[in-house]
Amino acid sequence: GENVEQHPSTLSVQEGDSAVIKCTYSDSASNYFPWYKQELGKRPQLIIDIRSNVGEKKDQRIAVTLNKTAKHFSLHITETQPEDSAVYFCAAATGNTPLVFGKGTRLSVIA
Amino acid sequence: NAGVTQTPKFRVLKTGQSMTLLCAQDMNHEYMYWYRQDPGMGLRLIHYSVGEGTTAKGEVPDGYNVSRLKKQNFLLGLESAAPSQTSVYFCASTFGGGPLHANEQFFGPGTRLTVL
Repeated sequence: GENVEQHPSTLSVQEGDSAVIKCTYSDSASNYFPWYKQELGKRPQLIIDIRSNVGEKKDQRIAVTLNKTAKHFSLHITETQPEDSAVYFCAAATGNTPLVFGKGTRLSVIA
Repeated sequence: NAGVTQTPKFRVLKTGQSMTLLCAQDMNHEYMYWYRQDPGMGLRLIHYSVGEGTTAKGEVPDGYNVSRLKKQNFLLGLESAAPSQTSVYFCASTFGGGPLHANEQFFGPGTRLTVL
């Protein structure tokens, strides 16, 4: 089955700097790659997703890139703000099988 | 719309007791999921359902049972609770059309369960 590895497990950045979180997946049939943000004590919420027919997708300060050949995808957050502090999860799915999540990255933005 | 709701929000059980967690969604979603979240382990899929009357095992199904008698409800049961089942449980749902599982999942607020 699918296996998703996520790095780093913790990340601290200064406010205004960029943050990058990387994930690798094992199943070459995976074609959907979402990112979820979970604030402390809250439920996970989708922030951006990408499908395998697209190499990059941007939404304001966040972007996701996908390298199908290498089987990895990354989340990029620019101009980080304190409200970006949260746990971020990547995931992968083939469509016919449910999402498999990475173990999460705890991002701390230091003011 | 309430979205996805879960009851109860908190529960403390003694080893060997049973309980049922209820998930309800009002978005007419076909697919529903139960996850457990433990520190450093991410979200692990327990069971899921692709429609009323259907259920399937996920990554960590042992010790849990589920039922989907109505499209809007997905129940998670613990027949004989163990301390290893202490966790935060999240329910989620998704439309299920088109790319099937490859759609945004909407999560409930979670249930914090402690088994003593």
